[in-house]
Amino acid sequence: DVKVTQSSRYLVKRTGEKVFLECVQDMDHENMFWYRQDPGLGLRLIYFSYDVKMKEKGDIPEGYSVSREKKERFSLILESASTNQTSMYLCASSLRFRETQYFGPGTRLLVL
Amino acid sequence: EDQVTQSPEALRLQEGESSSLNCSYTVSGLRGLFWYRQDPGKGPEFLFTLYSAGEEKEKERLKATLTKKESFLHITAPKPEDSATYLCAVPQSQAGTALIFGKGTTLSVSS
Repeated sequence: DVKVTQSSRYLVKRTGEKVFLECVQDMDHENMFWYRQDPGLGLRLIYFSYDVKMKEKGDIPEGYSVSREKKERFSLILESASTNQTSMYLCASSLRFRETQYFGPGTRLLVL
Repeated sequence: EDQVTQSPEALRLQEGESSSLNCSYTVSGLRGLFWYRQDPGKGPEFLFTLYSAGEEKEKERLKATLTKKESFLHITAPKPEDSATYLCAVPQSQAGTALIFGKGTTLSVSS
């Protein structure tokens, strides 16, 4: 079974804090993705990575950065958290492009 | 523009009352259509992938079908534990790697 884990289920941070969300997959997948999910807006792609140290912007990259130093690990960084970044953050991985993406359990982030 | 539209947004059924969820898409050169189930507060769970018109896949009370313009998720004799949000997604039609997700159908099954 594919397993994608995320470092936290719930996080509460203050405005202006630097926030790290980490994702680990155990299936040797090439591609990893970060989404945010908001009511009425659905899933929106923030960033993805197709190889170690490689990254591409998704639809809403502003205010975020990512890091992929090892194949199994993909981090999402909020450089200076803002209240409009309160959301559910979902990590996913896939073996190849356009193939099934497997999701982690999600991190619900509240920025106060 | 690539687009995925799911209908209805919400569906309430009685236990045992069969129905269908719709996912229509506008992408050129479909390279697969994915169905996911998402429970509240959790990540989406993969259900099915369909690749060509006429293809069908089944899992317990769920059956997914695909035509050239839409997919249906048929739920036969649903139970309360089938209550969830069902998402469909298709790959972008251009060279991109992303999946485009619909906004989902939230299914509630009461006993």
